[in-house]
Amino acid sequence: SQTIHQWPATLVQPVGSPLSLECTVEGTSNPNLYWYRQAAGRGLQLLFYSVGIGQISSEVPQNLSASRPQDRQFILSSKKLLLSDSGFYLCAWSNGEVNIQYFGAGTRLSVL
Amino acid sequence: GESVGLHLPTLSVQEGDNSIINCAYSNSASDYFIWYKQESGKGPQFIIDIRSNMDKRQGQRVTVLLNKTVKHLSLQIAATQPGDSAVYFCAENRFGYGQNFVFGPGTRLSVLP
Repeated sequence: SQTIHQWPATLVQPVGSPLSLECTVEGTSNPNLYWYRQAAGRGLQLLFYSVGIGQISSEVPQNLSASRPQDRQFILSSKKLLLSDSGFYLCAWSNGEVNIQYFGAGTRLSVL
Repeated sequence: GESVGLHLPTLSVQEGDNSIINCAYSNSASDYFIWYKQESGKGPQFIIDIRSNMDKRQGQRVTVLLNKTVKHLSLQIAATQPGDSAVYFCAENRFGYGQNFVFGPGTRLSVLP
């Protein structure tokens, strides 16, 4: 069966520090991968998605970037965090035939 | 846990009663819909989906109803249990079989003993 791992679960970082959140998927190949941010009382906001290695689409301009160095690995990064980057970040995957997106457990990022 | 859902509408139901959670969508071109359940501190969990060529679909203790005329989606949970307490939100796909879903803000379901 397919599983998705996302870490760390919580992270506290100072303003101006770098960020790296990692997401890996097991049990499937060539998944579509997604990074979302979830704000309190609002719907999920799609940040990036990827349909293959090295292929990244950005949905909103921001201080973040994403990379997909391997088929089942998706990384969310920042060179210098801002206070406004605080939030709950979710990674998800889907396969090309079924649209259902399956989510990781999320990372709670606090930028202080 | 995370602060998701602090200001969401809340539905409180008695344990054993049926719950109905509603969702309005805006794009008449949306043709695929999903309901997710999100417990505190966890990622969203897929519950049930429905395509626009259907108006009803049933799962285990859950039923999704789709009314395309008024662009309305509902999730019915039968015999609500304490473990059903969570935030529920719908997602619509605006591009047919594409990947770009639009997610609603959600409704918090509280099950009273």
